[in-house]
Amino acid sequence: AQSVTQPDIHITVSEGASLELRCNYSYGATPYLFWYVQSPGQGLQLLLKYFSGDTLVQGIKGFEAEFKRSQSSFNLRKPSVHWSDAAEYFCAVGVGTASKLTFGTGTRLQVTL
Amino acid sequence: NAGVTQTPKFRVLKTGQSMTLLCAQDMNHEYMYWYRQDPGMGLRLIHYSVGEGTTAKGEVPDGYNVSRLKKQNFLLGLESAAPSQTSVYFCASTPREGSYEQYFGPGTRLTVT
Repeated sequence: AQSVTQPDIHITVSEGASLELRCNYSYGATPYLFWYVQSPGQGLQLLLKYFSGDTLVQGIKGFEAEFKRSQSSFNLRKPSVHWSDAAEYFCAVGVGTASKLTFGTGTRLQVTL
Repeated sequence: NAGVTQTPKFRVLKTGQSMTLLCAQDMNHEYMYWYRQDPGMGLRLIHYSVGEGTTAKGEVPDGYNVSRLKKQNFLLGLESAAPSQTSVYFCASTPREGSYEQYFGPGTRLTVT
């Protein structure tokens, strides 16, 4: 079965610093890949997605992610973090029937001023 | 266009009580999902539906039942609540097979005492 690993449970960065959140997946074929963000007490909002084509995808709020097939990774990046980016970030993989997603366990981002 | 809405937002139940969570979407999506979110475990799929009148089990279906009598609504029922069902419940929808991008509701925080 497919799986998604987010190795970092909690990350703290300073405002203005760069950010990279890691995501690795386990699946034989190229899956559909997603990053969602969840602000405290809120639902999940889609940041970006990869279906095919250019391996560097741009999302909302200045985020980008790069699909690396050889590493089975889809890491999320942002060049300069803002205090409002503090949230929990989930990587997800879409495979199989019924458009189901498998989620990673999430990475909580704390931003210090 | 409200997207995906969930009712109620918060609920406290005593062990053994029953309740129904309502999910509604106004995007004419065929597929709908119920997840539970627990600390350190990401989102886990409880049940899903690929169309009006259909339901299927997800990863953690035990103790829950669902119904999809109308295309826009997806109900999640707990017949006899247990403390292990204390969680945040999210509903999501997606247009069709192969779309994978899911749209989430704001969540329901359920506490079972």
